[in-house]
Amino acid sequence: ERVMTQSPATLSVSPGERATLSCRASQSVSSNLAWYQQKPGQAPRLLIYGASTRATGIPARFNGSGSGTEFTLTISSLQPEDFAVYYCQQYNNWPPWTFGQGTKVEIK
Amino acid sequence: EVQLVESGGGLVQPGGSLKLSCAVSGFSVSNNYITWVRQAPGKGPEWVSVIYAGGTTYYADSVKGRFTISTDNSKNTLYLQMNSLRVEDTAVYYCARLNNWNDEDEAFDIWGQGTMVTVSS
Repeated sequence: ERVMTQSPATLSVSPGERATLSCRASQSVSSNLAWYQQKPGQAPRLLIYGASTRATGIPARFNGSGSGTEFTLTISSLQPEDFAVYYCQQYNNWPPWTFGQGTKVEIK
Repeated sequence: EVQLVESGGGLVQPGGSLKLSCAVSGFSVSNNYITWVRQAPGKGPEWVSVIYAGGTTYYADSVKGRFTISTDNSKNTLYLQMNSLRVEDTAVYYCARLNNWNDEDEAFDIWGQGTMVTVSS
């Protein structure tokens, strides 16, 4: 089973600033990685798949990069609606499909 | 409109059973991959089970032998029969579509709103 580890657990950022979130896989997952955003009381929302392809309707300020075991989600200029919890998830080796424990992006 | 609507959650005692439903609209369960994903309070999501269009099923080790996933194509609905429930099964249960792009990339692209299952005495 691929274990996904995200860092940091909490990221404090001011609106308009850049946020950089990290995700590490216990073994290579190639580029088979997705990112999700979750707001309180809501289901996760798909942002990125294939490590760097934005899902339909996702703004260009969300960018994914990386391959193998190291991945990054960058939000170039944080908007008020971007403060949420972000999860990475691998689909290279399944079952199971595995998620990270999340990074909370909070207002500084 | 593409939509998934879960129901059937509630409070159940350890060792009890519960059956969750996920009503699907906007696409067919018969030719899509549909999954159950759960999320315990304050934790990340955990994949639970998937059913493929041909009927093949997979389960997380934590629920294997206790949970059963199924579909009713005539009702376009997904189910999760949960038996021998444990306190650690307490979570919000989501149904989600596992979409595939270019026969390479896949992700959970459409989610329901979730239904809460609480296992407690």
